Amino acid sequence: EIVLTQSPGTLSLSPGERATLSCRASQSVSSYLAWYQQKPGQPPRLLIYGASSRATGIPDRFTGSGSGTDFTLTISRLEPEDFAVYYCQQYGSSLTFGGGTKVEIK
Amino acid sequence: EVQLVESGGGLVQPGGSLRLSCAASGFTFSSYSMNWVRQAPGKGLEWVSYIGSSGNTIYYADSVKGRFTISRDSAKNSLYLQMNSLRAEDTAVYYCARDQREWLGTYYFDYWGQGTLVTVSS
Repeated sequence: EIVLTQSPGTLSLSPGERATLSCRASQSVSSYLAWYQQKPGQPPRLLIYGASSRATGIPDRFTGSGSGTDFTLTISRLEPEDFAVYYCQQYGSSLTFGGGTKVEIK
Repeated sequence: EVQLVESGGGLVQPGGSLRLSCAASGFTFSSYSMNWVRQAPGKGLEWVSYIGSSGNTIYYADSVKGRFTISRDSAKNSLYLQMNSLRAEDTAVYYCARDQREWLGTYYFDYWGQGTLVTVSS
């Protein structure tokens, strides 16, 4: 099973700052990686698929990059609605999710 | 508008069974692969099962293989998860989720339901 490790566990930032979230795979998943955002009491929301393609309606402040084993989700300028938990998911070999990164208000 | 509405959750004793349903609307259900994903209270996401658009391709996570059965009824626009031999560690919110593209399984999910809570406890 491919294990996804997300870091940091928690990111404390202020609105307007840049957020950089990491997702590392235990073996290569090529570009078969997606990112989701989840707010309390809500289902996840697809942000990025194919490592770097934005899903429909996702603002361009969200950028995905990487391939192989190392991936990054960057939020260029945090808006108040961006404070949430973010998960990566690989679909290169079966399907697994990372443990999540919580982006909280500093 | 795409809608996915889960039902069937509840409290069940260890070793018991439960059948979850997911009613789909707002899209051509028979054209899309579907999935179940769960989330234990306060924990992360875990993919559970996948079924292709025709129902002929099915996958399970190792943690539920042999105990859970996924199925679909395109005439009723519904997805199901039959859960047998339930364990305490199956306690979670269960979401149904749609693959992004028609026909070809994409294995990532663009629409999710609100979830239904399954609690396994004596």
